[in-house]
Amino acid sequence: DQQVKQNSPSLSVQEGRISILNCDYTNSMFDYFLWYKKYPAEGPTFLISISSIKDKNEDGRFTVFLNKSAKHLSLHIVPSQPGDSAVYFCAASASFQGAQKLVFGQGTRLTINP
Amino acid sequence: DSGVTQTPKHLITATGQRVTLRCSPRSGDLSVYWYQQSLDQGLQFLIQYYNGEERAKGNILERFSAQQFPDLHSELNLSSLELGDSALYFCASSVELGASDEKLFFGSGTQLSVL
Repeated sequence: DQQVKQNSPSLSVQEGRISILNCDYTNSMFDYFLWYKKYPAEGPTFLISISSIKDKNEDGRFTVFLNKSAKHLSLHIVPSQPGDSAVYFCAASASFQGAQKLVFGQGTRLTINP
Repeated sequence: DSGVTQTPKHLITATGQRVTLRCSPRSGDLSVYWYQQSLDQGLQFLIQYYNGEERAKGNILERFSAQQFPDLHSELNLSSLELGDSALYFCASSVELGASDEKLFFGSGTQLSVL
């Protein structure tokens, strides 16, 4: 039962253009959504997040959009830079019985071409 | 550097064996999480500890166990290892317990190879 899905295993984008990474979820109990970025030989690091009461959160070149009715979120990176090449994990979070339930997607490998 | 330390970085062992993965959380963090990342899989939640007590369980096999010690470091024990247990195991830590917006800080992982 994959509650959080990233249907694109990989994405290739030209440097300077916009990168759009997508994520779908199934459980309406999730009330917070996060994106983590992972470089090879490193652990994931937090990138940006959004509460379910918002539909957009922006941080520099990174913007996350949330469409609750469609249970869909996306991460936009503009302009894309070579250093953005990494695996991006979408995660959905909910408080459940005093503990945080955090469910990750399978990840999307983003490659930025010079 | 996330401040979360995992040892060893690499582990090669044989089927049927038992291994222990170690994690030291960030200074001040009370929650420790263990995740498994297999090939082409996302991060699968295994188990969470908070201040020494087990607080949540995910898809953890009965052959696996974990504990968090009084100094807050944690160990993940994997026994009767099978080929399919080969994966990257991550430890993460956070300050609190239960907040939906709590951000996790991950270690660099232990790559387990079962031959």
